[in-house]
Amino acid sequence: ETGVTQSPTHLIKTRGQQVTLRCSSQSGHNTVSWYQQALGQGPQFIFQYYREEENGRGNFPPRFSGLQFPNYSSELNVNALELDDSALYLCASSLVTSGGETQYFGPGTRLLVL
Amino acid sequence: TQLLEQSPQFLSIQEGENLTVYCNSSSVFSSLQWYRQEPGEGPVLLVTVVTGGEVKKLKRLTFQFGDARKDSSLHITAAQPGDTGLYLCAGAVYNFNKFYFGSGTKLNVKP
Repeated sequence: ETGVTQSPTHLIKTRGQQVTLRCSSQSGHNTVSWYQQALGQGPQFIFQYYREEENGRGNFPPRFSGLQFPNYSSELNVNALELDDSALYLCASSLVTSGGETQYFGPGTRLLVL
Repeated sequence: TQLLEQSPQFLSIQEGENLTVYCNSSSVFSSLQWYRQEPGEGPVLLVTVVTGGEVKKLKRLTFQFGDARKDSSLHITAAQPGDTGLYLCAGAVYNFNKFYFGSGTKLNVKP
């Protein structure tokens, strides 16, 4: 149990639609990252938010956007869905300490785009 | 191309055997983490290594961070069916803005 929750657990959308995925971070963590994990692959970094501002971005187009709220919950929005967006979307909250940054992952949202 | 290369990609062994999974990169990481992921679930953190040359043990699992902080290994002694899963390494770069994951090693331990 990591204390990170995501909703919904599963979602089916059609090509061209928009989707919003939600994440509730572990208490006290001020950083949240989002990842896309295709079947059989490792997670790919989408972006990271720190204190409600985007703090780093991977190689994803602008139609992938996010928000982080004062209560450390966050959203991932994807516009104009494409078939290749079908994947497991993971959020991870983290706390940076002198020992490094440790991420705690939620269970993920499995998105299927038809 | 992956920043972190894991090998082997797949491993199928009998219960009781030992195994080692490798995670290699040409980049230097400030810290490196190992995760295990079950199907349909998020990765679960096993260990974080920070210091070059560091060795950490977690029961039958031994983790090592390379002296140059570019590579790591995970050794499992006397593997059990409960060890079955996808093992992922992930490295943090110095500015803490990104984590880079390897493509994973899928381990199957047969009873």
